Amino acid sequence: KAGVTQTPRYLIKTRGQQVTLSCSPISGHRSVSWYQQTPGQGLQFLFEYFSETQRNKGNFPGRFSGRQFSNSRSEMNVSTLELGDSALYLCASSLQTGSDNEQFFGPGTRLTVL
Amino acid sequence: GESVGLHLPTLSVQEGDNSIINCAYSNSASDYFIWYKQESGKGPQFIIDIRSNMDKRQGQRVTVLLNKTVKHLSLQIAATQPGDSAVYFCAENRRGGADGLTFGKGTHLIIQP
Repeated sequence: KAGVTQTPRYLIKTRGQQVTLSCSPISGHRSVSWYQQTPGQGLQFLFEYFSETQRNKGNFPGRFSGRQFSNSRSEMNVSTLELGDSALYLCASSLQTGSDNEQFFGPGTRLTVL
Repeated sequence: GESVGLHLPTLSVQEGDNSIINCAYSNSASDYFIWYKQESGKGPQFIIDIRSNMDKRQGQRVTVLLNKTVKHLSLQIAATQPGDSAVYFCAENRRGGADGLTFGKGTHLIIQP
């Protein structure tokens, strides 16, 4: 069974631009969560989608948004990029909603904002 | 700030020795805890989990201990191997998952030959 895939793996953008990242969960998994990882703040929860609905949301500004499609694939969007948005963005999939289900992480998308 | 934290940012052990990585949490309502391993250039990999109704759980070469009295979690790795070199994160589930998983800062485990 294929693992969680994320595209692209690396991305370079400039301040003010927007970016869309994609995540394909493990087949059969309906929940997708997104996390931001930085050296200073570590791993921080962005949001979770289940059955095309945002179920939970972390403490990030409205510039960070996401969506989930009927095939459970998810995208996250960051608008008006700032230097501080440079990070590794990870998505994780699980069978059900709620973080007390085992979450499987993808390799991440490394975003650099110049 | 983080309430799930690790006591040491780096832990160096000899190959073949046992490793113990510690974690403190502050939310007594958390009911699910997980250890993840992250190798360079990869996403976190699930190692083992434990629910709050347990105080010990064993896997292959790994044991997780949960002490709810002092809100402490530890990961023990037996007979540490070079492939165990990675950053280890503890994570807790708060508010039934409404906050997602809350991760600690991580401990970098270094294996000395």
